[in-house]
Amino acid sequence: DAGITQSPRHKVTETGTPVTLRCHQTENHRYMYWYRQDPGHGLRLIHYSYGVKDTDKGEVSDGYSVSRSKTEDFLLTLESATSSQTSVYFCAIRKGLAGVTDTQYFGPGTRLTVL
Amino acid sequence: KQEVTQIPAALSVPEGENLVLNCSFTDSAIYNLQWFRQDPGKGLTSLLLIQSSQREQTSGRLNASLDKSSGRSTLYIAASQPGDSATYLCAPEGDGANNLFFGTGTRLTVIP
Repeated sequence: DAGITQSPRHKVTETGTPVTLRCHQTENHRYMYWYRQDPGHGLRLIHYSYGVKDTDKGEVSDGYSVSRSKTEDFLLTLESATSSQTSVYFCAIRKGLAGVTDTQYFGPGTRLTVL
Repeated sequence: KQEVTQIPAALSVPEGENLVLNCSFTDSAIYNLQWFRQDPGKGLTSLLLIQSSQREQTSGRLNASLDKSSGRSTLYIAASQPGDSATYLCAPEGDGANNLFFGTGTRLTVIP
């Protein structure tokens, strides 16, 4: 358990509405990530953060923005949700282990449905 | 762009059997490779991480190998148990890219 929580765990919203998903970690890890998982595509990186206020785009960043004002929280925002953003969203942190290179650990996921 | 393929997409075996899951990737310039398991409706659990300089890693009944030059990794599960039933995901990490690339997984069912 890497102390990662995601909220909400489930959300149904309508097209055109803004949505914010929250990822919270308790262990002060520097790197945090947002992925989405869709059938037939596997997980794909949306955005990641390498410190407070330091973020970068991933493979599928269009339509998403992120913010990290505190080490422990990484927010993913859909400014105007579309049906193509219906997905399961996973947050992850990078956690180094003694003597081993870093490993990513994942939160429980948020299932988002955009009607 | 890194492409990851996992074969087979689904596998059903009787309890106690040894099995091998395969993963291939197109770009051999990787930093490391991770294997995860995912239970239905759940998040991902990290199983093993192999650094690019390593050939294999072992954890209990699991052994993962990496042949970076040929773009292949295998996950060997010994003496399979019903509790091993899950989807197994392979994810190489791009060198310096800070990004895991995932395959679509192998869905394993172990029959009691």
